[in-house]
Amino acid sequence: KNEVEQSPQNLTAQEGEFITINCSYSVGISALHWLQQHPGGGIVSLFMLSSGKKKHGRLIATINIQEKHSSLHITASHPRDSAVYICAVRSWGASGSRLTFGEGTQLTVNP
Amino acid sequence: NAGVTQTPKFQVLKTGQSMTLQCAQDMNHEYMSWYRQDPGMGLRLIHYSVGAGITDQGEVPNGYNVSRSTTEDFPLRLLSAAPSQTSVYFCASRYTGTSSSYEQYFGPGTRLTVT
Repeated sequence: KNEVEQSPQNLTAQEGEFITINCSYSVGISALHWLQQHPGGGIVSLFMLSSGKKKHGRLIATINIQEKHSSLHITASHPRDSAVYICAVRSWGASGSRLTFGEGTQLTVNP
Repeated sequence: NAGVTQTPKFQVLKTGQSMTLQCAQDMNHEYMSWYRQDPGMGLRLIHYSVGAGITDQGEVPNGYNVSRSTTEDFPLRLLSAAPSQTSVYFCASRYTGTSSSYEQYFGPGTRLTVT
């Protein structure tokens, strides 16, 4: 079992829909990252959080440390939101701090 | 700031050839790392460095060498390319220090094909 599991793997939505992507992890963490990878391949950081909730524009990220679960929500989705969304957790291992990535969720928003 | 830059963007190699993927950052980040991204798998750490002169292996280091002679540059060398090294490679950097929660910055990626 992967340390970081994302669901769903693929998601297709109509423009304007509310979208939720989930991330569950099995290790103790110091932080959780949500990343966005566009079709061109570049990866950008959307959120870094260790508790509670953060909001940037139409994006909202929440984390429940006790349940080892995080969600990324997109309100009023738009075709330009089409991308792969990646969850990554920062934890401490034998060689220090490490980042473990989920496989990503491919989101397609149709007009 | 240019952020994290990588060259080349695309490369095709024949089995057995060698090459160096370049990575540079202008944010004075101590920590730099190389990942590979393969279909159906999350990003996997190849090598990382916590400062000039210090490097260490990640999850999948075999077939790759790194060095860190300056804070800015962290090249990744493939000594004898193999088809299994066909992948997309990302360089990343961040600050270190007492907090392990610093934001990670990624380069644009290098798509490598080994035939």
